[in-house]
Amino acid sequence: KAGVTQTPRYLIKTRGQQVTLSCSPISGHRSVSWYQQTPGQGLQFLFEYFSETQRNKGNFPGRFSGRQFSNSRSEMNVSTLELGDSALYLCASSLVAGVSNEQFFGPGTRLTVL
Amino acid sequence: AQRVTQPEKLLSVFKGAPVELKCNYSYSGSPELFWYVQYSRQRLQLLLRHISRESIKGFTADLNKGETSFHLKKPFAQEEDSAMYYCALMRAGGTSYGKLTFGQGTILTVHP
Repeated sequence: KAGVTQTPRYLIKTRGQQVTLSCSPISGHRSVSWYQQTPGQGLQFLFEYFSETQRNKGNFPGRFSGRQFSNSRSEMNVSTLELGDSALYLCASSLVAGVSNEQFFGPGTRLTVL
Repeated sequence: AQRVTQPEKLLSVFKGAPVELKCNYSYSGSPELFWYVQYSRQRLQLLLRHISRESIKGFTADLNKGETSFHLKKPFAQEEDSAMYYCALMRAGGTSYGKLTFGQGTILTVHP
């Protein structure tokens, strides 16, 4: 079974631009969660989608948004990029959201904001 | 609010020595605890979780609700255990909706 895939793997943007990251979950998985990883803050939860609905959101500004498609693929968007948005963005998929369902992580998208 | 603390950023041991990676949490409700591991140039993966009560690759972790701890232990460390280890918490009861709260991570180095 193919693992979670994320595209692109690397991105360089400048301040003020916007960016869209993509995540394809493992086949059959319906829940997709997004995390931001930085050296200073570590791994922080952004949001979770299930059946095209956002069910949970972390403490990030409204510039961070996402969506999920009917095939469970998910995208996240960051508008008006700031230098502090430079990070590794990870997505994780699970069969359904919940404690008993293991989250499988993708390799991440490395975003650099100049 | 939920919080996970891993007090050691770096931990070095010699091969064959016991290793313990500390994890403390704060959460007013009923938590579920996990250990994730990231080996060099690999993606983050689940090592073990409290509810399964398994021993994976010789590692075990016991949830101590009185001390709010979930320390990861292995009696005899191997060089291939060198990696970044994250302790993570999820709210129990089906309302967590995918949210894992991670500690800052501990880099374990096992010397030959």
